[in-house]
Amino acid sequence: GAVVSQHPSWVICKSGTSVKIECRSLDFQATTMFWYRQFPKQSLMLMATSNEGSKATYEQGVEKDKFLINHASLTLSTLTVTSAHPEDSSFYICSARDRLAGGPGQETQYFGPGTRLLVL
Amino acid sequence: GEDVEQSLFLSVREGDSSVINCTYTDSSSTYLYWYKQEPGAGLQLLTYIFSNMDMKQDQRLTVLLNKKDKHLSLRIADTQTGDSAIYFCAESNHYGNNRLAFGKGNQVVVIP
Repeated sequence: GAVVSQHPSWVICKSGTSVKIECRSLDFQATTMFWYRQFPKQSLMLMATSNEGSKATYEQGVEKDKFLINHASLTLSTLTVTSAHPEDSSFYICSARDRLAGGPGQETQYFGPGTRLLVL
Repeated sequence: GEDVEQSLFLSVREGDSSVINCTYTDSSSTYLYWYKQEPGAGLQLLTYIFSNMDMKQDQRLTVLLNKKDKHLSLRIADTQTGDSAIYFCAESNHYGNNRLAFGKGNQVVVIP
């Protein structure tokens, strides 16, 4: 089955530093990847849609200069949290859509295991 | 717009059936999904149903869709301790760039 990995799985950083999270599709190509944020005991909130070779589309209320997204290849998207603050502490999850899958699979998003960020 | 509602908590004895419910508001939903999230982990796709279907069965999982009432349910037969997790329903449509809208999730606790 389709596998999506994230790195790192968890990170602790000091306030004011930047943190980069990687999302990789391991056995398929993904023209589209999605970045979500999940607070404890809450649902996933879509932050942005990342399209390979073009600028990401950010959801309303998400600062694009704060959360930099790069989707340089069909298997890798990165999310950089710039000048992180304690309120950025959260669980960040990416998902990837299989470019070549047809029918229902074309709609299916495969999720990474998540990255837990703690900003001190 | 997209709005997906779920109840919050369900406890069930091992071996019993569990039913999780979800309602949605977007009548243009094309696909409806059930995802499972175990503690500290990402989401695992359990099953999905196309909007022109009423029911889908996949081993212990049965999905029922009432499109008129915009109601989706997931029944887990012979619930096991490994089924303890949070379950999210989600919907997508062609018009939203296939973006998923998630419900708040339903925590299922299986009691041995």
